[in-house]
Amino acid sequence: SAVISQKPSRDICQRGTSLTIQCQVDSQVTMMFWYRQQPGQSLTLIATANQGSEATYESGFVIDKFPISRPNLTFSTLTVSNLSPEDSSIYLCSVQGSNNQPQHFGDGTRLSIL
Amino acid sequence: QKEVEQDPGPLSVPEGAIVSLNCTYSNSAFQYFMWYRQYSRKGPELLMYTYSSGNKEDGRFTAQVDKSSKYISLFIRDSQPSDSATYLCAMLGRGFGNEKLTFGTGTRLTIIP
Repeated sequence: SAVISQKPSRDICQRGTSLTIQCQVDSQVTMMFWYRQQPGQSLTLIATANQGSEATYESGFVIDKFPISRPNLTFSTLTVSNLSPEDSSIYLCSVQGSNNQPQHFGDGTRLSIL
Repeated sequence: QKEVEQDPGPLSVPEGAIVSLNCTYSNSAFQYFMWYRQYSRKGPELLMYTYSSGNKEDGRFTAQVDKSSKYISLFIRDSQPSDSATYLCAMLGRGFGNEKLTFGTGTRLTIIP
């Protein structure tokens, strides 16, 4: 399966600032996704990153708060904007090599807000 | 009611025991079933996936799906301390690339040496 590198692995940020998380894959993939994982809760899909077009957001997530880029088939970024303590979570990138394969995940970014 | 229910544990068993991890679901359209293993401070790692009902075996791991009962299981034989992790079930209906995954909350497993 693809090797997925996610940066940073962790960060501590001040309220009101923004953090951009990078996801790099070692091979071209069809789909890239961004998830949030909070303690005691199931993984929640934030959006599907579409190459060359705007991301597709799930209910409850908006582009102004979670802008996403996907300039090519191996790279995507998620920005978490105007950070508040409620944004403290693990953010995960996942990829799907082709339409008949399951998703594989990066190791996540652990974000804490002061 | 959640679409996928999974006992969060924690579950502690002695080394060498057989472990049974389970999920129930309510959506009868689900056809693809996955188990992910997540070590502390790591991302979920795909262990196995199955399509429709039946069993699938991979080494010490067996995935079992009973669509009539809307119940899936992961069995771990001869459990090892290295199996200590959180196990997440996930499922979807129309196939990869056609809809989003629905996850359980995960079961935290500890194997006691």
